[in-house]
Amino acid sequence: QKEVEQNSGPLSVPEGAIASLNCTYSDRVSQSFFWYRQYSGKSPELIMSIYSNGDKEDGRFTAQLNKASQYVSLLIRDSQPSDSATYLCAVNLNFGNEKLTFGTGTRLTIIP
Amino acid sequence: SAVISQKPSRDICQRGTSLTIQCQVDSQVTMMFWYRQQPGQSLTLIATANQGSEATYESGFVIDKFPISRPNLTFSTLTVSNMSPEDSSIYLCSVGPSGGNTGELFFGEGSRLTVL
Repeated sequence: QKEVEQNSGPLSVPEGAIASLNCTYSDRVSQSFFWYRQYSGKSPELIMSIYSNGDKEDGRFTAQLNKASQYVSLLIRDSQPSDSATYLCAVNLNFGNEKLTFGTGTRLTIIP
Repeated sequence: SAVISQKPSRDICQRGTSLTIQCQVDSQVTMMFWYRQQPGQSLTLIATANQGSEATYESGFVIDKFPISRPNLTFSTLTVSNMSPEDSSIYLCSVGPSGGNTGELFFGEGSRLTVL
C-alpha cells in the first residue's frame, strides 16, 4: 500500500459544479494534512491545511478530514476553469517528523 | 510567505557531468528541503538541509550523488553528480514558514534538468 494515495484522474467537472478530490493515507498517527495545487509547468502552492477531524472552509475550498478512516478530501465549489490543475495531497506521516509525503496527484479539468 | 529564487531554471547537461542548483530565500529559515519531481510524477524528498549540520538524506538518495551545502540561513545548493538520463527531472527547493508547521511549504520555481 502506498503511503499517500490519490486517484490520478483525470477528473473532468463542468464549470460551476463541485469538484471532489480524495486522498487516503497509511499511517494512523499522521497529524497534519495539506492540499497543494500545481499548474502545468509551475511549482506547487499550498491551498489548504487541516489538522483536526471535520471540515475546514476557505472561500470556495473545503478540506475534510476523517482520521478514523484515514481519509482527507478537498471540495471545490463553483468550479472555475482557473481551477484546472493537478492537486497534490501531502501528509506528515509521523508525528514530530517534519517530512512531507506527497500523493501522486489528481489532474482536474474544469470544462467551460 | 517566502520568496525563493532558484538557479538555473533549466539546463541541458551531458551524461557524466555534474550540475549545482542554487536556492536563495528572502528570509532566514531553519530547514530547507530539496525535492525531485520526475516527469508525470509527484514530489519525492531528496534531503533536508539544516544550517550548520550535515543534510539528512531520504532512502534511495546518497550524499555522493546529491551533495548539499547550507552555508547560512538563506542559501543552499544541491549538486547532481555524474548525471545520467535517469536524473532528468525538476528539482525543487522548498522552505517552511518561520514558526509555522513545516508542512506548509513554499516552493521555488524549480530547476528543470535534461540529461542527454
